[in-house]
Amino acid sequence: AQRVTQPEKLLSVFKGAPVELKCNYSYSGSPELFWYVQYSRQRLQLLLRHISRESIKGFTADLNKGETSFHLKKPFAQEEDSAMYYCALSESLLETSGSRLTFGEGTQLTVNP
Amino acid sequence: GAVVSQHPSRVICKSGTSVKIECRSLDFQATTMFWYRQFPKQSLMLMATSNEGSKATYEQGVEKDKFLINHASLTLSTLTVTSAHPEDSSFYICSARDWGGTGEQFFGPGTRLTVL
Repeated sequence: AQRVTQPEKLLSVFKGAPVELKCNYSYSGSPELFWYVQYSRQRLQLLLRHISRESIKGFTADLNKGETSFHLKKPFAQEEDSAMYYCALSESLLETSGSRLTFGEGTQLTVNP
Repeated sequence: GAVVSQHPSRVICKSGTSVKIECRSLDFQATTMFWYRQFPKQSLMLMATSNEGSKATYEQGVEKDKFLINHASLTLSTLTVTSAHPEDSSFYICSARDWGGTGEQFFGPGTRLTVL
């Protein structure tokens, strides 16, 4: 069965500092990995997905199949980055799979001024 | 991006009653919707996959007779919590995948259910 682990429940950094939110997964097939973000009092929204290989709001994440990791990074954190971040895994790249998402426990990021 | 709405945003009911939560995709058609449950300070737990025109697929440990799902149209899925009890109190979130667009899953704002 698939599993997503985010070891840090809370992460606090100062503005301008680099930030890395860790995510490890276990899955026997070829997963699709996502990072979702939930700002205060807002709904969950997609931040980025590994197949897009893009940078959103300065965040990047690289899928490391050898280490089964998909850590989220940003070189210079901003106060507006404070939010709850969830790493998620979808079972297959195939659209016919239904694409069920398995979420990690989430990491609450606080960026202090 | 596409928008998913939920109604109601919060509901309080007495133990033993049934509660219906609606999930709508406002500007796209969703053949597949998902229902999640989130406990305070915990992650989202997938309850079931709602398939338009067919039966929902429930995750292990989720009682299908307790959580009835109906996906009668391409834009609406409903979750009915039957004979609700205090332990059913939770935050219920739906999502819908926009297959016609980027394939991204869009999430509703959630429904806070409190069973007295």
